[in-house]
Amino acid sequence: EADIYQTPRYLVIGTGKKITLECSQTMGHDKMYWYQQDPGMELHLIHYSYGVNSTEKGDLSSESTVSRIRTEHFPLTLESARPSHTSQYLCASSESRGGKQYFGPGTRLTVT
Amino acid sequence: GENVEQHPSTLSVQEGDSAVIKCTYSDSASNYFPWYKQELGKRPQLIIDIRSNVGEKKDQRIAVTLNKTAKHFSLHITETQPEDSAVYFCAPYPGGWGNTPLVFGKGTRLSVIA
Repeated sequence: EADIYQTPRYLVIGTGKKITLECSQTMGHDKMYWYQQDPGMELHLIHYSYGVNSTEKGDLSSESTVSRIRTEHFPLTLESARPSHTSQYLCASSESRGGKQYFGPGTRLTVT
Repeated sequence: GENVEQHPSTLSVQEGDSAVIKCTYSDSASNYFPWYKQELGKRPQLIIDIRSNVGEKKDQRIAVTLNKTAKHFSLHITETQPEDSAVYFCAPYPGGWGNTPLVFGKGTRLSVIA
């Protein structure tokens, strides 16, 4: 079944560590997005991609990087984790022309 | 870029009453108007959407209405039930092949009191 997957689902890590959050989709979508969201709060766009080898920064992109080497894969890397990074990270994808977004289940990150 | 505002930010209703959430946008090129529902601990999911050539769309207890002239669209939930309690987001979109990212409203927390 076509879906969007995120791993890990939960992560507790110490300050200063480098981490990569994985996101994969089997929907064949060109556009992919990363959002940061505190529980029940607004969605903050971190990075997005229109297709392979294209990435753009969102409003909250500092201290993180993304890559898009394959259509289905869009990992997010935090170079040096800080307690302020404690949050939920949601990956999403959409068709090239569509505004309908499909979200992954999220990764809940805690930085101690 | 698109400026999106949602009102109210929180809403409490008695079970069985109706709820209305309004989304105002700035980009006149927007032609796709979805509403997402996010239950506690879950991912946002599309619950209803409308395109600019339609003024209203219904799906059982939920409906979306669009006023393109005034640049706003609204989510209507009738006969509310406890399972309607969630955060709702709007995300108007200009469509086409453009690379403009979606702009989500800040969300409305709906509480249905049994």
